[in-house]
Amino acid sequence: DAKTTQPPSMDCAEGRAANLPCNHSTISGNEYVYWYRQIHSQGPQYIIHGLKNNETNEMASLIITEDRKSSTLILPHATLRDTAVYYCIVRGINDYKLSFGAGTTVTVRA
Amino acid sequence: NAGVMQNPRHLVRRRGQEARLRCSPMKGHSHVYWYRQLPEEGLKFMVYLQKENIIDESGMPKERFSAEFPKEGPSILRIQQVVRGDSAAYFCASSMGLAGSTDTQYFGPGTRLTVL
Repeated sequence: DAKTTQPPSMDCAEGRAANLPCNHSTISGNEYVYWYRQIHSQGPQYIIHGLKNNETNEMASLIITEDRKSSTLILPHATLRDTAVYYCIVRGINDYKLSFGAGTTVTVRA
Repeated sequence: NAGVMQNPRHLVRRRGQEARLRCSPMKGHSHVYWYRQLPEEGLKFMVYLQKENIIDESGMPKERFSAEFPKEGPSILRIQQVVRGDSAAYFCASSMGLAGSTDTQYFGPGTRLTVL
């Protein structure tokens, strides 16, 4: 029973912004949107999370729609090292079992 | 500013042997989670531990697998009598144990277990 839907893959040009969409139409009011990425053969890396306001940190920006049914992760200036599988995860308060779906395989091309 | 540490990074065992995977959480973190990633699959939750307590082991196979997080030392995931189907990447994550969804889990580099 998937809580999120992501495109299976996308390409991005190096130096350009990468916009990764995620649909979570059944999200409830106390559930957060988390993003992780997994670079090949490495452990998942936390990127960012948010509840309803847009968030920004040194890695990325998270834009959540007003109805909270979808969000976009933005990598402002993609580099080759950003090539990875990106996971969008909906997580409720006190949920500790992270549910990793198939994610989006992002390939940054020179 | 060390992150989550796991060792060994690679482990090769023959069928029937035991595998011991270790995880040292980030400094200040007292909660540990183990996940398994089978080849070409996503990560699956296995077990959640706090110091000296197993909180939730609902994702652990009923037999041959056990986990502990002693008062002193790293968390250990132990697999007895390994079989080829146990070959996978095993990831450990840790968190501070804050109530609410701000309790972000940070992952280690994983241990890749290969069973011959």
